[in-house]
Amino acid sequence: NAGVTQTPKFQVLKTGQSMTLQCAQDMNHNSMYWYRQDPGMGLRLIYYSASEGTTDKGEVPNGYNVSRLNKREFSLRLESAAPSQTSVYFCASRDRGRAGELFFGEGSRLTVL
Amino acid sequence: AQKITQTQPGMFVQEKEAVTLDCTYDTSDQSYGLFWYKQPSSGEMIFLIYQGSYDEQNATEGRYSLNFQKARKSANLVISASQLGDSAMYFCAMREGRDTGNQFYFGTGTSLTVIP
Repeated sequence: NAGVTQTPKFQVLKTGQSMTLQCAQDMNHNSMYWYRQDPGMGLRLIYYSASEGTTDKGEVPNGYNVSRLNKREFSLRLESAAPSQTSVYFCASRDRGRAGELFFGEGSRLTVL
Repeated sequence: AQKITQTQPGMFVQEKEAVTLDCTYDTSDQSYGLFWYKQPSSGEMIFLIYQGSYDEQNATEGRYSLNFQKARKSANLVISASQLGDSAMYFCAMREGRDTGNQFYFGTGTSLTVIP
């Protein structure tokens, strides 16, 4: 019963390096989301995908790109990492139930030096 | 303007007492959903309770209840009979509309500490 799986859990990068955060869900959900969490800022939406083949910007998309590879997978790419991107990243998914709540992965802690 | 406002950065409550965590929201949509999530120190996000904008009754889930005041645009979380395991960050969130592609907005959170 995996739910939403994110990899890697931890990553340290140097400024300017690139990396991809992977996310997969096994609940057959249509919508997937990437958030970042910073102290005192709550969760801020980076990008989301309403369905396979579509992606949209959220509140803080600069410096990131996403790919909805298929219905299960939604990846987040940092092309040239900056110290301001040091954060905890959460992937989430949801479908259209009565509540339609978000189901979250365990988070990925990224440090950019 | 902030979509979700949580004005209490930190709260303390005595074990077995009740506590209210405040949340106000801002939307012009008629259809929306309100959510509370718990984040313990281990970091995972745990869904607690949901209130739909058309629900006439306040939502309840065990020791959690949501005090929904639509005219005031507030959705406060009430935790009854606090336990030590309730110590965590609590986030209020809102989804505008009903479709699967809608954005969720989160508040900045309230850190709750339960004192033995």
